[in-house]
Amino acid sequence: DGGITQSPKYLFRKEGQNVTLSCEQNLNHDAMYWYRQDPGQGLRLIYYSQIVNDFQKGDIAEGYSVSREKKESFPLTVTSAQKNPTAFYLCASKKPGQVNNSPLHFGNGTRLTVT
Amino acid sequence: AQKITQTQPGMFVQEKEAVTLDCTYDTSDPSYGLFWYKQPSSGEMIFLIYQGSYDQQNATEGRYSLNFQKARKSANLVISASQLGDSAMYFCAMRGLNSGYSTLTFGKGTMLLVSP
Repeated sequence: DGGITQSPKYLFRKEGQNVTLSCEQNLNHDAMYWYRQDPGQGLRLIYYSQIVNDFQKGDIAEGYSVSREKKESFPLTVTSAQKNPTAFYLCASKKPGQVNNSPLHFGNGTRLTVT
Repeated sequence: AQKITQTQPGMFVQEKEAVTLDCTYDTSDPSYGLFWYKQPSSGEMIFLIYQGSYDQQNATEGRYSLNFQKARKSANLVISASQLGDSAMYFCAMRGLNSGYSTLTFGKGTMLLVSP
């Protein structure tokens, strides 16, 4: 079955360490996204990528970095510069083209806890 | 810039009753799309329903319908005949269709609890 795989489901890190969250999709989608979810805050956009080797900052990109070397993969690195990294991170993708009603397809998320 | 407002942090409904979850939005785009997602406690985001700004009719998908009032900039989700499995967080989101971007802007969500 096609879908988006985020791993691991739970991730624990010590403060000051960089950590990379994995996101892989086999839907043949061009566009991929990273959102952060905090209690009471809804989803906020961190980074997105429309095509391979290209990506743009979202609303809260500070302290994060991404790469898009392959269509299927869009890993997110949470750096030590991110002041409040503990959150639930959701990866999403979208069908190619400007189809107006095309929803985002989401992975199951990674819950990151930094102590 | 786009903004989504969901004013109900939590809603309670009894099984088999209908419930309306509110969503208002603000955008400068003349053409846009509105989406509703469901997030159960497992964390996955499940797409429920879509409404385009130029759609003449309100969208419906099974027990879900969208009460779209363009002049009021509201896109309320109506769930008919609530089921226990409907207990979840519900997010309203929008996409400006002329801005050239494909990102979604989300509201803060409404927690729905369905009781027996």
